[in-house]
Amino acid sequence: NAGVTQTPKFQVLKTGQSMTLQCAQDMNHEYMSWYRQDPGMGLRLIHYSVGAGITDQGEVPNGYNVSRSTTEDFPLRLLSAAPSQTSVYFCASSYSMDTQYFGPGTRLTVL
Amino acid sequence: DAKTTQPPSMDCAEGRAANLPCNHSTISGNEYVYWYRQIHSQGPQYIIHGLKNNETNEMASLIITEDRKSSTLILPHATLRDTAVYYCIVYSIQGAQKLVFGQGTRLTINP
Repeated sequence: NAGVTQTPKFQVLKTGQSMTLQCAQDMNHEYMSWYRQDPGMGLRLIHYSVGAGITDQGEVPNGYNVSRSTTEDFPLRLLSAAPSQTSVYFCASSYSMDTQYFGPGTRLTVL
Repeated sequence: DAKTTQPPSMDCAEGRAANLPCNHSTISGNEYVYWYRQIHSQGPQYIIHGLKNNETNEMASLIITEDRKSSTLILPHATLRDTAVYYCIVYSIQGAQKLVFGQGTRLTINP
């Protein structure tokens, strides 16, 4: 099993650009989540999904969109990047929301 | 969501037991205590969880007080690789079904 994979590992964007962070898991988990982590801070939940076709907002959803068309994939879209979205983004999956397996992260810089 | 309080940092000598405290005085009867850790630059890693009884696995032990208002994570023989930020999280499967990460405790294992 590859577990949870995220691409890209690093990304630099200009303000106003859009992009999609990819997340995939091969463990057949129903639950998937996106978090962001700013320097020196804990993780904050952006969006999560309890199964294909079902998504919901977390603590900090503004500026981000998600969709869940398959069990395996849960992409995170930045609609119009802003410097405040500079962060490390982690994707996670689990059988339920408690014991989550995290990916290696995507380090995003918005100039 | 019930909140947790952890010391911001702790030190422990290599080979000794590391005891990480967590206060969760407003925990309710159906809420579990979860512990995750995050080694520098990596995604968080699940360690252990419990409801009322003490729990042990290959990574750590979890001691929950009888009134459930506090708990202690014990790493029995700390190694340098245990240096990480440790998060104590209170979670209810009946609630919003999302983990809320606080600031955690930065544990440094010294040689």
